[in-house]
Amino acid sequence: NAGVMQNPRHLVRRRGQEARLRCSPMKGHSHVYWYRQLPEEGLKFMVYLQKENIIDESGMPKERFSAEFPKEGPSILRIQQVVRGDSAAYFCASSPSSQATNEKLFFGSGTQLSVL
Amino acid sequence: GESVGLHLPTLSVQEGDNSIINCAYSNSASDYFIWYKQESGKGPQFIIDIRSNMDKRQGQRVTVLLNKTVKHLSLQIAATQPGDSAVYFCAENNYNQGGKLIFGQGTELSVKP
Repeated sequence: NAGVMQNPRHLVRRRGQEARLRCSPMKGHSHVYWYRQLPEEGLKFMVYLQKENIIDESGMPKERFSAEFPKEGPSILRIQQVVRGDSAAYFCASSPSSQATNEKLFFGSGTQLSVL
Repeated sequence: GESVGLHLPTLSVQEGDNSIINCAYSNSASDYFIWYKQESGKGPQFIIDIRSNMDKRQGQRVTVLLNKTVKHLSLQIAATQPGDSAVYFCAENNYNQGGKLIFGQGTELSVKP
């Protein structure tokens, strides 16, 4: 019974390159959330998606960041033209399709993005 | 604005003692609260949750207390063990926010053997 799977665990990019972070939710979950965590800080909400729909992207930077959750395959968080300030741990979480609100989220182990 | 914060950024306790981690929230509309534990290099792990129609909930060695009057949340860990060493986050949500949780800054718990 696999949990939330994220890959890669570590990603190194040079400034200006693109970063693609992948997240496969728990089996049976169709709600995906992306959070960003800087060192010594809490998790900051970025985006909430359901299959083929972005529900809430209020935490996403307006430029260079995008997210998708296609009908088939994992959710992708894409960061174009990365800058050093994008270096952080990015966590994905999922929740069951029958529970849209007020339920706990199950988190993956995160992707540590380092921008050189 | 809405925020969830913690009173103590670090907490050091002796093994076997009880630990209390506190959290303040400012959004009076919040109706659901969760405590997560995060170990180094790992994702947050669910510990316990509580809804606003309750003021206390107990789990295995953990108890969460909710005081809506002063908008305060606490996590009590009984007989703290070295394996409890981690950063603890409170998070809050309300129906109007959809599924997203708002996290506090975190408290680092260090258990001395």
